[in-house]
Amino acid sequence: DGGITQSPKYLFRKEGQNVTLSCEQNLNHDAMYWYRQDPGQGLRLIYYSQIVNDFQKGDIAEGYSVSREKKESFPLTVTSAQKNPTAFYLCASSITISTGLFFGEGSRLTVL
Amino acid sequence: KQEVTQIPAALSVPEGENLVLNCSFTDSAIYNLQWFRQDPGKGLTSLLLIQSSQREQTSGRLNASLDKSSGRSTLYIAASQPGDSATYLCAVRNNAGNMLTFGGGTRLMVKP
Repeated sequence: DGGITQSPKYLFRKEGQNVTLSCEQNLNHDAMYWYRQDPGQGLRLIYYSQIVNDFQKGDIAEGYSVSREKKESFPLTVTSAQKNPTAFYLCASSITISTGLFFGEGSRLTVL
Repeated sequence: KQEVTQIPAALSVPEGENLVLNCSFTDSAIYNLQWFRQDPGKGLTSLLLIQSSQREQTSGRLNASLDKSSGRSTLYIAASQPGDSATYLCAVRNNAGNMLTFGGGTRLMVKP
């Protein structure tokens, strides 16, 4: 079945460690996105990519990094520079940058 | 800067009621608007996408309308069921290629 797969679903990290969240899609979508969701703050855009080998910062990119080496994959690394990384992370994709978004099931990161 | 507001933040109704969820936006020059559903701890599921040239979209018991001039969209749910209980979010795209701006969501509970 076509869709977006995020892994891991739950992740625990010690302070000072980098972690990478995986996002894979088999929808043949050009555009992919990473959002962060915190209680009471709604969804905030971290990074997005319109096409392979291209990505742009969103509203809250500091402390995060991404790569887009393959069309189907858009991993997000949460670095130790991110001051408050505990959150629910959502990956999405769309046919192009202007069409409707489809989301994965999310990854919950907890920093201990 | 586009701002998207959803009121009320929470709503509780008895099963079988028809209900309307509201979404308002400050900049009426939009490209499209998308309604999503989110279950607790899960990703977002796309419900309906309305292009700026459209007035409404329907899917099953759901009907979304768009009034750009007044900066409003409504999501109508007919004959509500307990399975409709979730958080409903609307998101607005201002121009082709711009990112979505999300509202804070309405948490709906349908009581048996």
